[in-house]
This record gives sequence, C-alpha cells and structure tokens, in this order.
Amino acid sequence: AQKVTQAQTEISVVEKEDVTLDCVYETRDTTYYLFWYKQPPSGELVFLIRRNSFDEQNEISGRYSWNFQKSTSSFNFTITASQVVDSAVYFCALSERNTGGFKTIFGAGTRLFVKA
Amino acid sequence: DSGVTQTPKHLITATGQRVTLRCSPRSGDLSVYWYQQSLDQGLQFLIQYYNGEERAKGNILERFSAQQFPDLHSELNLSSLELGDSALYFCASSAQGLPSQETQYFGPGTRLLVL
Repeated sequence: AQKVTQAQTEISVVEKEDVTLDCVYETRDTTYYLFWYKQPPSGELVFLIRRNSFDEQNEISGRYSWNFQKSTSSFNFTITASQVVDSAVYFCALSERNTGGFKTIFGAGTRLFVKA
Repeated sequence: DSGVTQTPKHLITATGQRVTLRCSPRSGDLSVYWYQQSLDQGLQFLIQYYNGEERAKGNILERFSAQQFPDLHSELNLSSLELGDSALYFCASSAQGLPSQETQYFGPGTRLLVL
C-alpha cells in the first residue's frame, strides 16, 4: 500500500540557516511520482516539484534542492539560506496509477518556522 | 492567483444537511481534482475528472459525489453532513489530467464548518 511519512512535524530555524525536510515513501509500484507542495499561511497549495521514479537525478532550483534516493525510498527537500517567507507547511506526496488515472496520497506535512 | 476559482469561500451548516461546492478550472484546463484537508485526516485526494468523465477516485465517501459539467466547471456535493466533514476543500486543475506530467494549480479552497 502507498504511504508517505514526514516524520518532522515542526521545524524552527533562524533566517539564513539551511534546513532539510524529510520524506520517506512506500509503494509496490515501479512507476510512481513524487511531489512537494508548499502551503503558506494564506492557505493555498503551491506545487514545487515533481519527480518520476525513473529519474533519480537531484534537482536544484534557486535556494531549493531535492534529493531523491530510491535505495532508501526518500525524497528530501533542502532549503538553503532560509528566509522568513519560507515559513509554511510543506507536503510530500506520492502518486501511483489507479484505474484510469492517478491516486495521490500526501504526508502529514512539516510546518517550518523561519525566524528573523 | 492560480486562475482556479472556488465558491463559496466559507460555508457553515448543520449536521445532516447537504452542501454543494463549486470549482471553475483555469482557462483551457480539462481536468479538475478535489482534495479535502482536515485536522484528523490531513490532506486527502478525493476524486479527479477529465473532460466530464471520472478519471480517478481516492478516499471519497459514499455520502460525497462530484461531477464535471460540459463547461468544465465541477461541483462537489456533500450530503448527510457530519461534524467530521468540517475541513478545507480544495479544487485543482490541470491541462490534460496527467499529474505525472503536469502541474496542478490549486484554488483558494472552501472552508466548511459543520455544527
């Protein structure tokens, strides 16, 4: 069965610190997709990244980077030089094919506080 | 602004009642997705429609139903409401209904409170 675990419920850092948000997933499928979403205090969900199971290349986008390791079923997210605007809840998600489409499950989220 | 609109923004109702939540996707997007975010269950995928047809089903209760109309807007109907249905309901849209290849754009959500 699908499962996404974000063991860190809350993380608090001081501005300019680096922070890594952990995500561990379980799936029996060989083809699946992993996502990270950001939910700022305003409440909307914002897509950050998608990674398919065949692409283990790490990705960097500005201050954000993602480390995908199939061997440990992990898809961790690092924010470098954190800023107050990074304060949000971050969700990791896993999608697998389900009948004609894809079923997505989310982790419980990690609330990140970045203090000035 | 994602371009996805949801109405109403807030809804307060009583147990046993029925409500309808509405979603208009981004212009040109053919697929809509519904999600529920509650304190108990976290963020859950409910259902996906593509061009009027149901494409994928998640943890949607039998008391809930959805449809997508020819103009591509979608409605989520929640009936026999219980206290535990209180949640933030998000709608998202994407171009071709392929979350493996596309970005989903989320609306601002409808906050439902069942008293």
